[in-house]
Amino acid sequence: DAGITQSPRHKVTETGTPVTLRCHQTENHRYMYWYRQDPGHGLRLIHYSYGVKDTDKGEVSDGYSVSRSKTEDFLLTLESATSSQTSVYFCAISGWGLAGTTDTQYFGPGTRLTVL
Amino acid sequence: TQLLEQSPQFLSIQEGENLTVYCNSSSVFSSLQWYRQEPGEGPVLLVTVVTGGEVKKLKRLTFQFGDARKDSSLHITAAQPGDTGLYLCAGARGTSGSRLTFGEGTQLTVNP
Repeated sequence: DAGITQSPRHKVTETGTPVTLRCHQTENHRYMYWYRQDPGHGLRLIHYSYGVKDTDKGEVSDGYSVSRSKTEDFLLTLESATSSQTSVYFCAISGWGLAGTTDTQYFGPGTRLTVL
Repeated sequence: TQLLEQSPQFLSIQEGENLTVYCNSSSVFSSLQWYRQEPGEGPVLLVTVVTGGEVKKLKRLTFQFGDARKDSSLHITAAQPGDTGLYLCAGARGTSGSRLTFGEGTQLTVNP
């Protein structure tokens, strides 16, 4: 299993509060991603990173920001959480591995976020 | 517009039956991945296929990548309750670190 951890695993917060989710990897992979998973929508990309301090938006980036100051850590911040951001958030990494391609992504265990 | 269409969305079968899940698109992919996800966990990679026409087997699971690299299928032989889960296909259309396009998934339930 790829060495990916996410913290916290569960969080309940109130509307309007800032929230930061952390993804940590021990694989030294270059690429990192944040997704959200909601019923009826599957996995949707929020932001991704292709290196330290290099990030770009995904398809549902509004209301989210990210930072990557070290290879191993990718932070997702909800500046002012809203109820529509209640979801399960997954971090993923990709890089050269057994599949021989950088396209294959490996996922963390997820963070369940509830915004009341 | 959903670029990757998975079918069926839900499938409930009896132990021992065979099944096939389809993943279709009008777009060409450089590679395609299949994942299985269980409740409360992240998707776990089952296989990556990269060559048109490629067939890969993983015990009772057979994965095929279409000749034109626009579609894929997952066939399970003699399904078991342990196969229960959400099966996701995801396609990549670039090279290094490319974004994946995910299908919405097929929820499989295998009843004992």
